[in-house]
Amino acid sequence: RKEVEQDPGPFNVPEGATVAFNCTYSNSASQSFFWYRQDCRKEPKLLMSVYSSGNEDGRFTAQLNRASQYISLLIRDSKLSDSATYLCVVIRYSGGYNKLIFGAGTRLAVHP
Amino acid sequence: GAVVSQHPSWVICKSGTSVKIECRSLDFQATTMFWYRQFPKQSLMLMATSNEGSKATYEQGVEKDKFLINHASLTLSTLTVTSAHPEDSSFYICSAREFETSKYEQYFGPGTRLTVT
Repeated sequence: RKEVEQDPGPFNVPEGATVAFNCTYSNSASQSFFWYRQDCRKEPKLLMSVYSSGNEDGRFTAQLNRASQYISLLIRDSKLSDSATYLCVVIRYSGGYNKLIFGAGTRLAVHP
Repeated sequence: GAVVSQHPSWVICKSGTSVKIECRSLDFQATTMFWYRQFPKQSLMLMATSNEGSKATYEQGVEKDKFLINHASLTLSTLTVTSAHPEDSSFYICSAREFETSKYEQYFGPGTRLTVT
């Protein structure tokens, strides 16, 4: 089983739609959690951190449920520019380092 | 924000040759650098972690004699793929961390696309 699991999608939604992505992680020792965005053939870029209390940044809301080891990302009022792959990332301390463990990503395609 | 560059951005080489990829932190000192590999439609997989002036720590399953990592200065790390084979064709991405700012935040380079023919 992969340490970080995501629905690969693709999610095809019209502009203005609300879309939700889910992610589960298997290592209960994971310390911190993030959502990254990756455009085709580009490097990943940090989108936002994820907290148990929830984190909202404009149209984006991220939530963590430690008991269920479940992370979510909600995008409201989708824009064409939101089309990308969204990567769920957990931090695990291993071998003396804090390591980023990436999910395979969920692809979002927003159409007019 | 902090900037990390990689060179080259893409490279095509013949099977059996070696390829060196450079990763540079342009406006900060990177005490730790990470090398990742990403195959199409798959997640980024951490290959190794390196601290300036010390040997790299490789993840399980990554051959240290095939993927040579050198972190000779606080702004430069190199990954050399030795005796490359077609199965080594992938997207290689480095990231760098500035210890003083955040113990979690990593700044990613733009990646290097390697094709081995």
